[in-house]
Amino acid sequence: GENVEQHPSTLSVQEGDSAVIKCTYSDSASNYFPWYKQELGKRPQLIIDIRSNVGEKKDQRIAVTLNKTAKHFSLHITETQPEDSAVYFCAATRDNYGQNFVFGPGTRLSVLP
Amino acid sequence: DTAVSQTPKYLVTQMGNDKSIKCEQNLGHDTMYWYKQDSKKFLKIMFSYNNKELIINETVPNRFSPKSPDKAHLNLHINSLELGDSAVYFCASSQSLGEQFFGPGTRLTVL
Repeated sequence: GENVEQHPSTLSVQEGDSAVIKCTYSDSASNYFPWYKQELGKRPQLIIDIRSNVGEKKDQRIAVTLNKTAKHFSLHITETQPEDSAVYFCAATRDNYGQNFVFGPGTRLSVLP
Repeated sequence: DTAVSQTPKYLVTQMGNDKSIKCEQNLGHDTMYWYKQDSKKFLKIMFSYNNKELIINETVPNRFSPKSPDKAHLNLHINSLELGDSAVYFCASSQSLGEQFFGPGTRLTVL
């Protein structure tokens, strides 16, 4: 089955700096890669996703890149703000209905003012 | 309007008891899920349910059983609760392979 690794497990940056979180996956057939943000005590919420037919996707300060050959994808957050502080999860799946959805272990991002 | 709702929000119970958590979505989605988030914040899928097809994560004990009375509901029933079942349980829904909308979570504490 799919295995997703995520690094780093914790990340501290100064406000205004960029943050990068990397994930690797094992199943070359995986075709959907979302990123979720979970604030303390809240539910996970999708912030951006990418499908295997696209190499990069951007939404304002957030971007995701996908390297299918190397089987890794990364989340890039520019101009970080204190409200970006949260746990970020990457995930991967190969199935049409999200079965066998596998999440990475999470990265706790702290943005220091 | 709440997109995905769960009840109860908190559940405290004794070992050996049986309990249920209810989930409802009003988004018209065709797929629903149950996740377990442990104390280390790991999110693990337990079940996904689409068009009456149930996909079970093989690591889930058979004490856990999902029940779907209709497309908008996916309840989780747990028999013979154990200490290790303590966690936050999230319900989610999506339209096929798309954004998953999570419920607010149910914090289960087994004493």
